[in-house]
Amino acid sequence: DAMVIQNPRYQVTQFGKPVTLSCSQTLNHNVMYWYQQKSSQAPKLLFHYYDKDFNNEADTPDNFQSRRPNTSFCFLDIRSPGLGDAAMYLCATSRDLGLGLAVQFFGPGTRLTVL
Amino acid sequence: GNSVTQMEGPVTLSEEAFLTINCTYTATGYPSLFWYVQYPGEGLQLLLKATKADDKGSNKGFEATYRKETTSFHLEKGSVQVSDSAVYFCALPMDSNYQLIWGAGTKLIIKP
Repeated sequence: DAMVIQNPRYQVTQFGKPVTLSCSQTLNHNVMYWYQQKSSQAPKLLFHYYDKDFNNEADTPDNFQSRRPNTSFCFLDIRSPGLGDAAMYLCATSRDLGLGLAVQFFGPGTRLTVL
Repeated sequence: GNSVTQMEGPVTLSEEAFLTINCTYTATGYPSLFWYVQYPGEGLQLLLKATKADDKGSNKGFEATYRKETTSFHLEKGSVQVSDSAVYFCALPMDSNYQLIWGAGTKLIIKP
């Protein structure tokens, strides 16, 4: 089945220790998103790739970086995690056909704990 | 720009009760409207959508009608089950069409 996969599902890191979260998709979608979600609040968009073009949200801290080496994979790098970065990180994809449907498909998320 | 307002939770109901979760929006034109659901410990998944005025989206016994007169897209279900316990998000596209604006989410708790 076509899907969005996130690894790991649970990640524990120490304060200030870099961490990388990964996302892969078999949907061949051209847009990939990274969201941060805390305590069942609305997901907060960190950035997205439209094809190879990287789009950063204005309020995303510099501590967060992303890479998309190919259509299928996307990574979220947190360079120096702080306690406030503990959250669920959600990867999503969509196919933009210019039709305004904007249906996004989500992975199961990675729950990050910072000690 | 587009925006969405969703009723706050948590909403606690008994099994087999009728459910309504309110969602209203402001938008330029008539964008598609969505309800997503997030079960405990999982990512979000599309529950239903409507792409034009007066459309009714439906899935798993849930329904929502795109009403342009009242700029609303309320989620309803006639008889909820314990397994419906989750957080529900109303969403609509930004002007870019491929990014979404999210409501605050409504936590639904169904008691047996």
